[in-house]
Amino acid sequence: QSALAQPASVSGSPGQSITISCTGTNSDVGNYDYVSWFQQHPGKAPKLIIYAVTTRPSGVPDRFSGSKSGNTATLTISGLQAEDEADYYCIAYTRKITWVFGGGTKLTVL
Amino acid sequence: EVRLADSGGGLVKPGGSLRLSCAASGFDFNGYTMSWVRQAPGKGLEWISSISSSSTHIYYADSLKGRFTISRDNAKNSVFLQIDSLTAEDTALYYCTREEWELTFLHWGQGTLVTVSS
Repeated sequence: QSALAQPASVSGSPGQSITISCTGTNSDVGNYDYVSWFQQHPGKAPKLIIYAVTTRPSGVPDRFSGSKSGNTATLTISGLQAEDEADYYCIAYTRKITWVFGGGTKLTVL
Repeated sequence: EVRLADSGGGLVKPGGSLRLSCAASGFDFNGYTMSWVRQAPGKGLEWISSISSSSTHIYYADSLKGRFTISRDNAKNSVFLQIDSLTAEDTALYYCTREEWELTFLHWGQGTLVTVSS
C-alpha cells in the first residue's frame, strides 16, 4: 500500500486560505468516506481536525474544512493564523481493512 | 478522561526484539479496536497494525508484515506491539491510538521512542 500523495509544503500569509490535497486510489480515498486529517506541531502527538471527509471534532475551529472528489481529498484552512503552522497528514481507510497515511505537508505561515 | 500511556521503548541493538505496551484508562477498553502508528525522526506517520476489541480481527500494513505482532489483554486494559529483528529503519516514536466508531483516531498516547543502534 503506497502512501497517499500530499504536497511536501504549502505556505500562506495570515488571513489567507490554503488547500492541501491528498491523492490516493479507488482502493482507499475513492472507495470510502473515511478520510481524516491531523495537525501535528513539533514534539506533539497528532491532533484530529477532520474526520469522515468533512466533519470537524468538537473544539476544532470552522476555519478548517474538508472535501473529497474522486480519489482526492482536500483540506482547506481559511483565515490562516500563525498557530496553524504545523505538519498536516491525511489518512484513509482501505479495502484491505487497513489504513494508509499521506506523506505529510508542512504548512508555513508567512 | 480517555488516557493512553505508551511505554516499553528504549535503545536496542540491531537484530533484537522489543515489546511495547499501551495502558488504556477512562473508557470501556473492551469495546474498541486499537492501532499502533509510528513516526521515524523527521518523517511522516506510518500506520502499523490494528486489533479488534476481542482480538478476532488483526491487520498489518503490507510493508511491515512478518516482524510485528499486535496483541491485547482486555483484563489489563492494555495493547501490545512485539517487534522482532529490529533494524535501524525501525527507529521511531511509536504511538498507540484508539479507533473510533466513526472510523478515525481521536485519542493518542504520548508515544514511546524506540532507537535501534549498535
